[in-house]
Amino acid sequence: GENVEQHPSTLSVQEGDSAVIKCTYSDSASNYFPWYKQELGKRPQLIIDIRSNVGEKKDQRIAVTLNKTAKHFSLHITETQPEDSAVYFCAASLGVGGYQKVTFGTGTKLQVIP
Amino acid sequence: SAVISQKPSRDICQRGTSLTIQCQVDSQVTMMFWYRQQPGQSLTLIATANQGSEATYESGFVIDKFPISRPNLTFSTLTVSNMSPEDSSIYLCSAGTGTHGNEQFFGPGTRLTVL
Repeated sequence: GENVEQHPSTLSVQEGDSAVIKCTYSDSASNYFPWYKQELGKRPQLIIDIRSNVGEKKDQRIAVTLNKTAKHFSLHITETQPEDSAVYFCAASLGVGGYQKVTFGTGTKLQVIP
Repeated sequence: SAVISQKPSRDICQRGTSLTIQCQVDSQVTMMFWYRQQPGQSLTLIATANQGSEATYESGFVIDKFPISRPNLTFSTLTVSNMSPEDSSIYLCSAGTGTHGNEQFFGPGTRLTVL
């Protein structure tokens, strides 16, 4: 099955700096890569996603890049703000028996220091 | 997107008992999923709830322990049976939307404590 590794496990940045979270996946058939933000005590929320036919996608201060050859993808947050502090999960989605199975990474706890 | 509600939001149960968690989606969705999340950990897929057929369970999870119902395209239940303290966790349901059902939106979760 799919295996998703995520680094770093914790990340502290100064407000206004950029943050980068990296993930690798094992199954080259994975074709959809979402990122989720989970604030303490809240549900995971989809913040951005990318499909395997796209190399980069941007939405305001967040962007995601995908390198299919190397099987890794990254989340970039620019001009970080205190409200960006949360746990971020990457995931990879693979078609299995007619449905898409999503495998999550281990999570990155991002702390933005004011 | 989809709006998803779950109940109960939390419960404290005695070992050996069972708890049924309900998940309601505000629109018809093809895919519904159940996850478990231990505090400070990632999400682990328990099973995919299939409408009109038996759920598809992931390795390590069995129907006798986690029976799932999916009577229609907006509702699903997960039962945690014969509970032990190791079952204490947050249980989340999600709905898959989009062309392939892989854009998932999560419910608020059910925090279960087993004494």
